[in-house]
Amino acid sequence: KQEVTQIPAALSVPEGENLVLNCSFTDSAIYNLQWFRQDPGKGLTSLLLIQSSQREQTSGRLNASLDKSSGRSTLYIAASQPGDSATYLCATETSGSRLTFGEGTQLTVNP
Amino acid sequence: NAGVTQTPKFQVLKTGQSMTLQCAQDMNHNSMYWYRQDPGMGLRLIYYSASEGTTDKGEVPNGYNVSRLNKREFSLRLESAAPSQTSVYFCAIARLAGQNNEQFFGPGTRLTVL
Repeated sequence: KQEVTQIPAALSVPEGENLVLNCSFTDSAIYNLQWFRQDPGKGLTSLLLIQSSQREQTSGRLNASLDKSSGRSTLYIAASQPGDSATYLCATETSGSRLTFGEGTQLTVNP
Repeated sequence: NAGVTQTPKFQVLKTGQSMTLQCAQDMNHNSMYWYRQDPGMGLRLIYYSASEGTTDKGEVPNGYNVSRLNKREFSLRLESAAPSQTSVYFCAIARLAGQNNEQFFGPGTRLTVL
């Protein structure tokens, strides 16, 4: 059974700082890994999807990497802003169309 | 283009009552999913429908039933609600299951069972 772990559970940084969120998973037989953002009381917004054959994806100030062999992914956020404050979740898709989620990292960017 | 809509947004039930959560999409995607989100447990898959006419159990299906009414709509039914079903329920869609497609989520239904 796939297990997804995100460290740290919470992170507080000053505005402008570059930061890295970590995601690890136990079963490397994944179709893809996705990073989502969730604002309080809201649904999930897809940020980046990395296919199993890819090493990284970039969107604006966000860069996600994937190392299947070690079961790790990182989400790099450059020049953080207060609007980046949210919970970030990673999820892996395995056979049977199942997404397995981590519990998320709650990010606070202080002005 | 609303994407994924869920009704109702909030609901309070008494133990033993039944209700149906509705999900509809306007993106013409084939796959639809129901998740629940609980503190300390993350999001867990309840049921999914890879295509119209098919449904499959996820990680936590007990106490729930689903209906893929047509390509647009996927409903989740609680026949006899229990306090353990207090949660936030999310519907999600994807263009094709298992084909490296992004999942898009609805805004959620917040359910409390007393």
